[in-house]
Amino acid sequence: DQQVKQNSPSLSVQEGRISILNCDYTNSMFDYFLWYKKYPAEGPTFLISISSIKDKNEDGRFTVFLNKSAKHLSLHIVPSQPGDSAVYFCAAMGNNDMRFGAGTRLTVKP
Amino acid sequence: DGGITQSPKYLFRKEGQNVTLSCEQNLNHDAMYWYRQDPGQGLRLIYYSQIVNDFQKGDIAEGYSVSREKKESFPLTVTSAQKNPTAFYLCASSRGGNYNEQFFGPGTRLTVL
Repeated sequence: DQQVKQNSPSLSVQEGRISILNCDYTNSMFDYFLWYKKYPAEGPTFLISISSIKDKNEDGRFTVFLNKSAKHLSLHIVPSQPGDSAVYFCAAMGNNDMRFGAGTRLTVKP
Repeated sequence: DGGITQSPKYLFRKEGQNVTLSCEQNLNHDAMYWYRQDPGQGLRLIYYSQIVNDFQKGDIAEGYSVSREKKESFPLTVTSAQKNPTAFYLCASSRGGNYNEQFFGPGTRLTVL
């Protein structure tokens, strides 16, 4: 039962362009959402988060958008850089529960 | 440097043997977690501990055991009862319970031969 889904296992983008990573969730009790970035052979690191009382949160090149009615969030990276190449996990929290998506592997080509 | 360490990075064991994965943090975090990652799946929670000497089962606790005798340490034992133990194991910690923002260790890849 995957309560958090990242339907694109991989994404390839040209350097300088926008990367958009998507995440869908099914549990309406989730009220806090996070994005983690993972390089090979390392643990995930926290990137950006958003509370359900907001619909947008921005931090430098990274912006997370939340559409509660659609139970959908997205991470925008602009401009994309080769160093952004990694696996990105979205996570959803709420009601003392936390779930992760399967991850999307982003490749940014120089 | 504060952080979470997991050792070893790679671990090989024969089928039927118990194996213990180490997780240590010096972040003074109260809560610690163990996750398992398999290809094509999100991280799945095995066990978590919100305070010393207390821990709760996650979604896939069967075949695993933990202890939390010290705040800094949360070792995970993969027992012979675990049907499919080969996986990538991640330990995490957070300041408080209810998960909050978790900090992850580098992971241990366990291969059972």
